[in-house]
Amino acid sequence: SQTIHQWPATLVQPVGSPLSLECTVEGTSNPNLYWYRQAAGRGLQLLFYSVGIGQISSEVPQNLSASRPQDRQFILSSKKLLLSDSGFYLCAWSDIGDFYEQYFGPGTRLTVT
Amino acid sequence: RKEVEQDPGPFNVPEGATVAFNCTYSNSASQSFFWYRQDCRKEPKLLMSVYSSGNEDGRFTAQLNRASQYISLLIRDSKLSDSATYLCVVNLNNNDMRFGAGTRLTVKP
Repeated sequence: SQTIHQWPATLVQPVGSPLSLECTVEGTSNPNLYWYRQAAGRGLQLLFYSVGIGQISSEVPQNLSASRPQDRQFILSSKKLLLSDSGFYLCAWSDIGDFYEQYFGPGTRLTVT
Repeated sequence: RKEVEQDPGPFNVPEGATVAFNCTYSNSASQSFFWYRQDCRKEPKLLMSVYSSGNEDGRFTAQLNRASQYISLLIRDSKLSDSATYLCVVNLNNNDMRFGAGTRLTVKP
């Protein structure tokens, strides 16, 4: 069966510091991968998605970037965090299929201070 | 108009009650539809996909009305463990999923 991992689970970072969040998927090949952010009391916002190694699509212009160095690895980065980057970051995967159901990792709760 | 709109609730119901949530979407080209469940401070988990003909999974029934652009979720015989936030999700085109802000449900003894 497929599993998705994210780390770290929680993170407190000062403004202006760099960020690296990692997501890995097991039990599937060539998944579509996604990064979302959920601000407190808000819906999920799609940040990036990837349909293959090195292929990244950005949905929202901001100071974040994403990379996919391996088939089942997806990384979210920032060179300098802003206060507004605080939130719950969720990685998800899907297979190509009729419905494209997405399955989420446990998330990283980021607080920028 | 928001792309996906849900009543935020909260819905407070007694155990054993039947409760229904509606969700409207604005893009008539939307291709597929889902309900997710999210517990407090946890990741969303897929509850059910919503098929054109409607579908049922135990106590849960989902309906789609393309003409009126809404989907619904019915929960029968509510359990305490059903307490969560229910997210309506609309897939615009494969990788473009739009999430509602969620409807909070609390089932009380």
